[in-house]
Amino acid sequence: EAQVTQNPRYLITVTGKKLTVTCSQNMNHEYMSWYRQDPGLGLRQIYYSMNVEVTDKGDVPEGYKVSRKEKRNFPLILESPSPNQTSLYFCASAGGVAGVNTDTQYFGPGTRLTVL
Amino acid sequence: SQKIEQNSEALNIQEGKTATLTCNYTNYSPAYLQWYRQDPGRGPVFLLLIRENEKEKRKERLKVTFDTTLKQSLFHITASQPADSATYLCARRKTGGFKTIFGAGTRLFVKA
Repeated sequence: EAQVTQNPRYLITVTGKKLTVTCSQNMNHEYMSWYRQDPGLGLRQIYYSMNVEVTDKGDVPEGYKVSRKEKRNFPLILESPSPNQTSLYFCASAGGVAGVNTDTQYFGPGTRLTVL
Repeated sequence: SQKIEQNSEALNIQEGKTATLTCNYTNYSPAYLQWYRQDPGRGPVFLLLIRENEKEKRKERLKVTFDTTLKQSLFHITASQPADSATYLCARRKTGGFKTIFGAGTRLFVKA
């Protein structure tokens, strides 16, 4: 089944404790992205990657890191989490073949992060 | 700055009626706009995409229009059903890139 998976689905942590949220897709997509969703603000893009070893900032990159060492994986790293990073996080992927397929983003199920 | 604006107020309609949701953009001309559906606690699901050179796109009971003069896209659900109740998101991407901006979404409630 074609899908984007994220782990963990739920995470409660404390300020300053480094964490990684994993994202994996099995559709051979070139593009991957991370978003955070907060009430009233909608989805905001954190980072995106257009291919292996190619990443770029979205609108809210501060406090986050990403890496794209393999095509299928795009982990989100919070080196020193703070309470304002409490949010619902979504990973998404798209593309692989130029044309229509590059436009549709497939989203993972989300990771609800609470930083105390 | 580049923005996507959707009506933040929830839309309540009766089953069988047509729901119309609005997406307005400012300060740029997107290559295309996308519409997604999101159910509570779940990831968005892609519905339709309309390009700047297209006036209208349809898929089953869904229709999207794109008016570059008004800088607006309208999303219609005809013969609405309670199962259509969800939040609908509008998003834009520029050609050749993957930087994406989403609107905050409009919550739709369809009453039986």
